[in-house]
Amino acid sequence: EDQVTQSPEALRLQEGESSSLNCSYTVSGLRGLFWYRQDPGKGPEFLFTLYSAGEEKEKERLKATLTKKESFLHITAPKPEDSATYLCAGLSGNTPLVFGKGTRLSVIA
Amino acid sequence: SAVISQKPSRDICQRGTSLTIQCQVDSQVTMMFWYRQQPGQSLTLIATANQGSEATYESGFVIDKFPISRPNLTFSTLTVSNMSPEDSSIYLCSVEWGPNYGYTFGSGTRLTVV
Repeated sequence: EDQVTQSPEALRLQEGESSSLNCSYTVSGLRGLFWYRQDPGKGPEFLFTLYSAGEEKEKERLKATLTKKESFLHITAPKPEDSATYLCAGLSGNTPLVFGKGTRLSVIA
Repeated sequence: SAVISQKPSRDICQRGTSLTIQCQVDSQVTMMFWYRQQPGQSLTLIATANQGSEATYESGFVIDKFPISRPNLTFSTLTVSNMSPEDSSIYLCSVEWGPNYGYTFGSGTRLTVV
């Protein structure tokens, strides 16, 4: 059964304190690994898709990386506006998008 | 990327009643997806809706409880029938919008059943 596990469940950072969020996956025939940001009361906002091990993508203070077993979302010098829940999801050839439970990030000024 | 409008944004409903959620996309899309996000949980796919055919439901979800319509390539509805408090969740529609945009989501409908 395809599974996506995110850690930690919650993370509290000081403004400027860089860190990483982890997404480990067991998805057979991975076609894509997705990262989303979700603010309270809103739908998930697409951030990145990674397709193969070794791939990296960046957007402002965020960088996503992918290995054969896990993905990391690195947050460099975060700001309070980066506070949100970050969701990871895997897509295989046979099953729909499988989401992890997310990491709730709080960045304190 | 596609812009998705979802209505209503929230509702409080009595148990035993039904609520229909609408999802409008600003471009034609082949497949539309309906998800449920229970409190503190991740997103779970309810069904996939293709225009011109019956929706495909995931394990644990049935058509009698969650009937779906897909009358054209830009619109879909999800009905939550005979509601109970356990149906209190956020319901989201989504479309696939190419490799650079992933799966785009609407803003969601926050449903509370009392």
